[in-house]
Amino acid sequence: NAGVTQTPKFRVLKTGQSMTLLCAQDMNHEYMYWYRQDPGMGLRLIHYSVGEGTTAKGEVPDGYNVSRLKKQNFLLGLESAAPSQTSVYFCASSSNTGELFFGEGSRLTVL
Amino acid sequence: ILNVEQSPQSLHVQEGDSTNFTCSFPSSNFYALHWYRWETAKSPEALFVMTLNGDEKKKGRISATLNTKEGYSYLYIKGSQPEDSATYLCAFRGDTDKLIFGTGTRLQVFP
Repeated sequence: NAGVTQTPKFRVLKTGQSMTLLCAQDMNHEYMYWYRQDPGMGLRLIHYSVGEGTTAKGEVPDGYNVSRLKKQNFLLGLESAAPSQTSVYFCASSSNTGELFFGEGSRLTVL
Repeated sequence: ILNVEQSPQSLHVQEGDSTNFTCSFPSSNFYALHWYRWETAKSPEALFVMTLNGDEKKKGRISATLNTKEGYSYLYIKGSQPEDSATYLCAFRGDTDKLIFGTGTRLQVFP
């Protein structure tokens, strides 16, 4: 069972470079989320989506963009990476009332 | 800004001790309260999703209660075991679709 899959799992970027993190889920969930995890700060919501073609801002959206062109995929983009975006990124999906299922995380380092 | 607070930040107990943690959240516009267990080097896994004031849920030695009127939830672990060592996260959903996490309680159980 794949569940929620994130790619890549590790990436090192230079300041100013761009990249996209891909999240794919095979549970037919409507809701998908991107969180970042930093020491002492728990999980902070970046962006989320309540269905195909919809996206909305979370707690810390600046510097990130997202797209949900297909129900099963939720992409997180960094247009111009900054060292402050060094973090571990978690994608999650859920039904509209249910528990979140998380991916394994993607560790991003921006030099 | 939604404020979800957890206490204590960390806890060290001996095997066999019972313990509990607190999650505080806004008492207005409540929709759901989630609890997750997060082991080191893994992804968070759901323990409970609670939606009704007065809800009590149990899974093995772990149980949780919910008071939506005063905005708090307790998580209890009876007879802690070393394998219970993890970070325990709560997350609040209000009348938007955002799921906002607290910073977690880190539990270490010593044999």
